[in-house]
Amino acid sequence: GAGVSQSPRYKVAKRGQDVALRCDPISGHVSLFWYQQALGQGPEFLTYFQNEAQLDKSGLPSDRFFAERPEGSVSTLKIQRTQQEDSAVYLCASSLVTRTSGNGYEQYFGPGTRLTVT
Amino acid sequence: AQKITQTQPGMFVQEKEAVTLDCTYDTSDQSYGLFWYKQPSSGEMIFLIYQGSYDEQNATEGRYSLNFQKARKSANLVISASQLGDSAMYFCAMREGASSGGGADGLTFGKGTHLIIQP
Repeated sequence: GAGVSQSPRYKVAKRGQDVALRCDPISGHVSLFWYQQALGQGPEFLTYFQNEAQLDKSGLPSDRFFAERPEGSVSTLKIQRTQQEDSAVYLCASSLVTRTSGNGYEQYFGPGTRLTVT
Repeated sequence: AQKITQTQPGMFVQEKEAVTLDCTYDTSDQSYGLFWYKQPSSGEMIFLIYQGSYDEQNATEGRYSLNFQKARKSANLVISASQLGDSAMYFCAMREGASSGGGADGLTFGKGTHLIIQP
């Protein structure tokens, strides 16, 4: 079956431009996560959705970052007025269950979108 | 303080040898989960193995095993009989919190270990 897909795979933006990154989770997956991975680092948590509800946005670095999942499936991460420090790979992950199922549920990751801000 | 520490930025290992990737963690929670992910050059994170804080036995998945030493807060990944295709970045990660009513939603990752298998 299809895994998590993300588009575009690569995005180059001029400083100050707005960008929108799309994530298509595995069909039926309730939970959806966004992570930011800077070069040479591990992924860092940005935000979490359970269906259409954004339950945790504690990792969003500034109010320029906004995420939505209006129908509980596809999600979009939007970055306004991009800056050079936003350059990173943005990873989306989905999971069949929610955190109330315990700590051990596996997250399935997409291939990421590599954002370069010039 | 870092919650996940991976002290080996890079490792070179001969094909068919066993390899141990180190991971120590820091949490005050009693209930937590530990994960290992593999990230090849293509960029996708591939789940390898999971260990729960209450699991008494070390987790195993095929050639992967997790050496869980709770008192030392250590969760090392052991890959037996390494193969050329094992060359990749390896990340240790943790989810903290109880199974209900609270707890972090996302995973906290370490900085990773770049493993290179040599023929």
